[in-house]
Amino acid sequence: QVQVVQSGSELKKPGASVKVSCKTSGYTFTRCALNWVRQAPGQGLEWMGWINTNTGNPTYAQGFTGRFVFSLDTSVSTAFLQISSLKAEDTAIYYCARGAEDAFYFDYWGQGTLVTVSS
Amino acid sequence: SYVLTQPPSVSVAPGQTARITCGGTNIGSKSVHWYQQKPGQAPVLVVYDDSDRPSGIPERFSGSNSGNTATLTISRVEAGDEADYYCQVWDSSSDHVFGTGTKVTVL
Repeated sequence: QVQVVQSGSELKKPGASVKVSCKTSGYTFTRCALNWVRQAPGQGLEWMGWINTNTGNPTYAQGFTGRFVFSLDTSVSTAFLQISSLKAEDTAIYYCARGAEDAFYFDYWGQGTLVTVSS
Repeated sequence: SYVLTQPPSVSVAPGQTARITCGGTNIGSKSVHWYQQKPGQAPVLVVYDDSDRPSGIPERFSGSNSGNTATLTISRVEAGDEADYYCQVWDSSSDHVFGTGTKVTVL
């Protein structure tokens, strides 16, 4: 069965960096894109972008360029989200979501990773 | 950029029908997907491609899409349906877009 498991909560100071992992299993890793979705406290879902698991090519949504980097380690079927120069407004839950094969919806989601940025 | 507008809240009595709308320009020409998010949990896909249900999702959940409005309908509402619901589409100029979200309260 498909599983998407993310790393645990993080508490970081402003200006620091954080790297969130998203480990998948139960399917061929390179057949489906992986997307990142942000949810600020009490707010809705915001699509951050996706990474092509075949080529490693990332695509970033508006507002998520520069400090945000998507990467892969295909040997362990894992995607990563790195955020640098953290700000208080980066405090949110970050979800990894699998893009359904040849489709435009998200069929499996990780449990989410809470990133808290506070001095 | 493409915008999807949902009502902030919908209230419904148990056993009744809840309808959650998702408005967007000519949304009827796009495929609409719906997610349920219960407090403290990750979103779960409940309807995809306007009206299809993933395995394990009850038939009580159905969808439709026409013109400028897509609708998620929950029939015979149960207490366990209380959650936030989000619509989502893919748009050629905006990529993936989520709706503003609707909180469903079961009275």
